[in-house]
Amino acid sequence: AQSVTQPDIHITVSEGASLELRCNYSYGATPYLFWYVQSPGQGLQLLLKYFSGDTLVQGIKGFEAEFKRSQSSFNLRKPSVHWSDAAEYFCAAAPYSGGGADGLTFGKGTHLIIQP
Amino acid sequence: EAQVTQNPRYLITVTGKKLTVTCSQNMNHEYMSWYRQDPGLGLRQIYYSMNVEVTDKGDVPEGYKVSRKEKRNFPLILESPSPNQTSLYFCASRGQGRETQYFGPGTRLLVL
Repeated sequence: AQSVTQPDIHITVSEGASLELRCNYSYGATPYLFWYVQSPGQGLQLLLKYFSGDTLVQGIKGFEAEFKRSQSSFNLRKPSVHWSDAAEYFCAAAPYSGGGADGLTFGKGTHLIIQP
Repeated sequence: EAQVTQNPRYLITVTGKKLTVTCSQNMNHEYMSWYRQDPGLGLRQIYYSMNVEVTDKGDVPEGYKVSRKEKRNFPLILESPSPNQTSLYFCASRGQGRETQYFGPGTRLLVL
């Protein structure tokens, strides 16, 4: 079955430190991959997406993600976090197909806490 | 402004009282879907629609209905809500192909 795994439920990072959030997927073929952020009480905002091509993807708010086919991973990174980055982060995938049930499969989320 | 809107944003109801959560998008998108978000479970798809009059079940469809009579609207119907449907609900839409899904602001539902 298709699945997306975010191994870390919570991560605590000091302000100004670097960040890496892990995401692994299990699909028959390489899916389309996304990272969304949800701030407290807010909806979902797309940070970045990977469809094909360059495996290092740049997103908004200084985030980037690297697709590694050999590891079935799509980890999210930021070189220096700000207190405003505290939020819930979701990795998601959609199958690489032309139609059918192609909704997003989400990971369970990683809650990011920023320490002053 | 391109957006997905949902109403109401917050709703408290009682078991068995039918309710409808509306969803509307102004981007002429073919594909629309509903998700529910629960702590520790992430978001799970309830129903989706590929176009007008074309709907299908997602991963957790039990207890929900949808309709797609117009391209822009995709209401979620709970005929007889139960407490286990207390959740945060998101509507989403996207165009054909592999475009980004746009999410509405969410509807927080409490069923007593």
